[in-house]
Amino acid sequence: EAQVTQNPRYLITVTGKKLTVTCSQNMNHEYMSWYRQDPGLGLRQIYYSMNVEVTDKGDVPEGYKVSRKEKRNFPLILESPSPNQTSLYFCASSLSPGAWAQHFGDGTRLSIL
Amino acid sequence: GESVGLHLPTLSVQEGDNSIINCAYSNSASDYFIWYKQESGKGPQFIIDIRSNMDKRQGQRVTVLLNKTVKHLSLQIAATQPGDSAVYFCSWDYKLSFGAGTTVTVRA
Repeated sequence: EAQVTQNPRYLITVTGKKLTVTCSQNMNHEYMSWYRQDPGLGLRQIYYSMNVEVTDKGDVPEGYKVSRKEKRNFPLILESPSPNQTSLYFCASSLSPGAWAQHFGDGTRLSIL
Repeated sequence: GESVGLHLPTLSVQEGDNSIINCAYSNSASDYFIWYKQESGKGPQFIIDIRSNMDKRQGQRVTVLLNKTVKHLSLQIAATQPGDSAVYFCSWDYKLSFGAGTTVTVRA
């Protein structure tokens, strides 16, 4: 089954404790992306990757890092999480974002205390 | 900046009626448009797409209309069902700007 898998689905942690949210897709998609979703603000793009070793900032990259060492994986790293990063996070992948729809994971709800 | 606007944040519709959700965009060079549906607790899911060389595309109970003259996109849902209750997002362009979406509530 074609899918985008995020882990963990839920996480409560404390300020400053580094965390990584993993994302994996099994569709051999070149494009992957991370979004955060906050009430009233919709989905905002954090980082995206056009291919292995190619990443770029989205609209709200501050406080986040990503890496793309393999085609299927695109982890989101919060080096020093803060309460304003409490949000619902989605990973997505696409064959080509300008021509094909994205497939989304089921989300990761992060709470930073 | 670019507009990511959806005209109404909420829409309440009677079961069995047709629903229309609207979206405006500002980039006249946009080539590919997508509608997504997000159910509670899930990620957005693809509903239907349309390319700029078309002005209408139909799926199963859904139709997308594209008016490039006024840069307007709409999603029509025929015979709305309780399972259609969700947040709907329009999307376009390379970076896929989403906006806050329209929440559709279906009344029994």
